[in-house]
Amino acid sequence: DSGVTQTPKHLITATGQRVTLRCSPRSGDLSVYWYQQSLDQGLQFLIQYYNGEERAKGNILERFSAQQFPDLHSELNLSSLELGDSALYFCASSAYGNSYNSPLHFGNGTRLTVT
Amino acid sequence: GENVEQHPSTLSVQEGDSAVIKCTYSDSASNYFPWYKQELGKRPQLIIDIRSNVGEKKDQRIAVTLNKTAKHFSLHITETQPEDSAVYFCAATPMDSSYKLIFGSGTRLLVRP
Repeated sequence: DSGVTQTPKHLITATGQRVTLRCSPRSGDLSVYWYQQSLDQGLQFLIQYYNGEERAKGNILERFSAQQFPDLHSELNLSSLELGDSALYFCASSAYGNSYNSPLHFGNGTRLTVT
Repeated sequence: GENVEQHPSTLSVQEGDSAVIKCTYSDSASNYFPWYKQELGKRPQLIIDIRSNVGEKKDQRIAVTLNKTAKHFSLHITETQPEDSAVYFCAATPMDSSYKLIFGSGTRLLVRP
């Protein structure tokens, strides 16, 4: 167990809907990263937060947004969902804001299916 | 931005043989190179990492080498076992204002008993 908790494990929804994915980092970790993994694809970086502030942004769609709360948990909001948004969404956490000094530890992911 | 290329995309070896997976990166300032293993339906797990001030690192049957001049790094697995079968991802951290970890496209390793 990595200590990173993601809920829900599975989510099935229809096109056009909005969903929220939740992540609780490992105890003591200040940084949260979100990655998208489509079927048989690699890990695409979406966004990173450190101690409540956005630190880095990847190829995140405008329909997607995220935030990190004072208790350090993070939420990824996906709106106007399309079939192509179906994927496994991973959250990872690290102690600091730089992966050089603190490796990333991944949660078990949320599998999103858009029908 | 940083780009990481990984080869091969699939690799099949006989149990007991060695497996080598190679990655190249584009940002010469990148300084951290981890490798993750992802078993089917599970989360990626860190198996080994190397920093730019080190040329080689070993942990039991796995080792990673780094060639900063050529901007490539490799994962070596010796005496492969069926439980080594998984998808392996390399990654690099660019030394720009961001702190993201950029992953390669993955290598599906199959170890045949």
